[in-house]
Amino acid sequence: DSGVTQTPKHLITATGQRVTLRCSPRSGDLSVYWYQQSLDQGLQFLIQYYNGEERAKGNILERFSAQQFPDLHSELNLSSLELGDSALYFCASSVGLLSNYGYTFGSGTRLTVV
Amino acid sequence: AQSVTQLDSHVSVSEGTPVLLRCNYSSSYSPSLFWYVQHPNKGLQLLLKYTSAATLVKGINGFEAEFKKSETSFHLTKPSAHMSDAAEYFCVVSDRWRSQGNLIFGKGTKLSVKP
Repeated sequence: DSGVTQTPKHLITATGQRVTLRCSPRSGDLSVYWYQQSLDQGLQFLIQYYNGEERAKGNILERFSAQQFPDLHSELNLSSLELGDSALYFCASSVGLLSNYGYTFGSGTRLTVV
Repeated sequence: AQSVTQLDSHVSVSEGTPVLLRCNYSSSYSPSLFWYVQHPNKGLQLLLKYTSAATLVKGINGFEAEFKKSETSFHLTKPSAHMSDAAEYFCVVSDRWRSQGNLIFGKGTKLSVKP
């Protein structure tokens, strides 16, 4: 157990729907990161939050949004889902802003859009 | 801009033989470098990291990597492969001092271990 908790582990939904993925960071970590892993794109950075504030954006679609709450858990909202959004979504956390010590990853949420 | 290239998408070795997974990086700043491993249907686990201390870095499960600045390489090695090493391995680069931290992942190398 890495200490980063992601729920749900699996999600199957239809095109056009909206889903919410949840992440609880490791105790003491203030930064949360979201990554998308797909067969064709590999691991793509989506977004970073630090202590409730958005700090960095990667290849995140406009249909996707995220937030970090006062208790530091984070949610990734995916709307108007398309078949191509099917992927493994990882959350990771770290103590501070800098990435020089690496991140701790959760076990991921596998999203299947049908 | 930072990038990382994993030179082999798939490596196959026999159990008990050495493992070499190759990685080259590009970074405008002082990089931090990492290797992560992903077993089937599992999350990503940190194997080892280089953050400007010793250039030879030891990780978990007998893996090592050597940072070679002149060659911009950070190859992962293990003297003797075990069946449980079969997994996908990711080389990762980060700009050590940027305040917006995000890791840049290579495309991964799938390691197969034959009995």
